[in-house]
Amino acid sequence: EAQVTQNPRYLITVTGKKLTVTCSQNMNHEYMSWYRQDPGLGLRQIYYSMNVEVTDKGDVPEGYKVSRKEKRNFPLILESPSPNQTSLYFCASSQGGVGEQYFGPGTRLTVT
Amino acid sequence: AQTVTQSQPEMSVQEAETVTLSCTYDTSESNYYLFWYKQPPSRQMILVIRQEAYKQQNATENRFSVNFQKAAKSFSLKISDSQLGDTAMYFCAVNNAGNMLTFGGGTRLMVKP
Repeated sequence: EAQVTQNPRYLITVTGKKLTVTCSQNMNHEYMSWYRQDPGLGLRQIYYSMNVEVTDKGDVPEGYKVSRKEKRNFPLILESPSPNQTSLYFCASSQGGVGEQYFGPGTRLTVT
Repeated sequence: AQTVTQSQPEMSVQEAETVTLSCTYDTSESNYYLFWYKQPPSRQMILVIRQEAYKQQNATENRFSVNFQKAAKSFSLKISDSQLGDTAMYFCAVNNAGNMLTFGGGTRLMVKP
């Protein structure tokens, strides 16, 4: 089954404790992206990657890191999480940047 | 920078009736794509319909259709014969050739029995 998976689905952590949210797709897509969803703001793009070893900033990259060492994986790293990063996070992939994006199930992150 | 505005935070419709969700956008690109995504309570993002900006014909997918007015930068979604399962958040989005996908703030749609 073609899908985008994210782990964990739920995470509660404390300020400053490094964490990684994993994202993996099995569709051989070149393009992958991370979004955060906050009430009233819709989804905002954090980082995206056009291919292996190619990443670029989206609208809200501050406080986040990404890497793309393999085509299928695109982890999101929070080196020192803060409460304003409490949000719902989505990973997405597509074949090319302008096509339909397939979304993962979301990760609910709470930073206390 | 591109922007997407959904001016209706919440809407409701009776089952079997028709409802239209509004979306306006702004982009400096000449080649771009427009999307409507649905997010039910499960939080999964589901593509409802897409429209290529260079196509004049409005996209249609079963009960879902769009009214794409390129000059006005308007991209509304019409849902016909509304069903209870259509209850969800709906997001309008624009994607340009620079790989930036920008979403509106969303419209919460409630279908009432």
